[in-house]
Amino acid sequence: KAGVTQTPRYLIKTRGQQVTLSCSPISGHRSVSWYQQTPGQGLQFLFEYFSETQRNKGNFPGRFSGRQFSNSRSEMNVSTLELGDSALYLCASSPTGTGISPLHFGNGTRLTVT
Amino acid sequence: GESVGLHLPTLSVQEGDNSIINCAYSNSASDYFIWYKQESGKGPQFIIDIRSNMDKRQGQRVTVLLNKTVKHLSLQIAATQPGDSAVYFCAETNTGFQKLVFGTGTRLLVSP
Repeated sequence: KAGVTQTPRYLIKTRGQQVTLSCSPISGHRSVSWYQQTPGQGLQFLFEYFSETQRNKGNFPGRFSGRQFSNSRSEMNVSTLELGDSALYLCASSPTGTGISPLHFGNGTRLTVT
Repeated sequence: GESVGLHLPTLSVQEGDNSIINCAYSNSASDYFIWYKQESGKGPQFIIDIRSNMDKRQGQRVTVLLNKTVKHLSLQIAATQPGDSAVYFCAETNTGFQKLVFGTGTRLLVSP
């Protein structure tokens, strides 16, 4: 089976712009989660989707949003980018959700905001 | 490669040694725990998991121990190899909570 695929791998944006990141989960996985990883804060939960519904959201401002499509693919969007949004954004999938089976992560999108 | 943490605790071992990585978790209600390995430039890779109704689980060369009394997890790696060099994270969750809470990570360096 192919793993979790995230595109693009690298992005450079300017403050104030917006960005959309894409994630294709492992085939058959219906739960998709997003995490932000920075050297200072470590791995922080953004949100989780299952069957196109957001089931949980982390403590991030409303500039961070996401969605899931009927084929389980997911996108996250960050609007009005700030320098502090520079991070590795990780997508993870599992068959039904976090507490039932482990999440399987993609290799992330490295976002740099200048 | 990318740095996943500037000031991570580091465990340095010789090839062939056994390694023990420790983790204190935060929520006494957590009932599912996972260890991940992250290599430079990659996402976290699942190693082993354990539920709160167990105190030990073994995989291939790895063992996870869970002590709920003191909220402590450990990952034991037998016969550590240079390919085991990476950052290791523990993560906790509560079934149905749909969110993993990660520890700060430990960098394992294996010398040949």
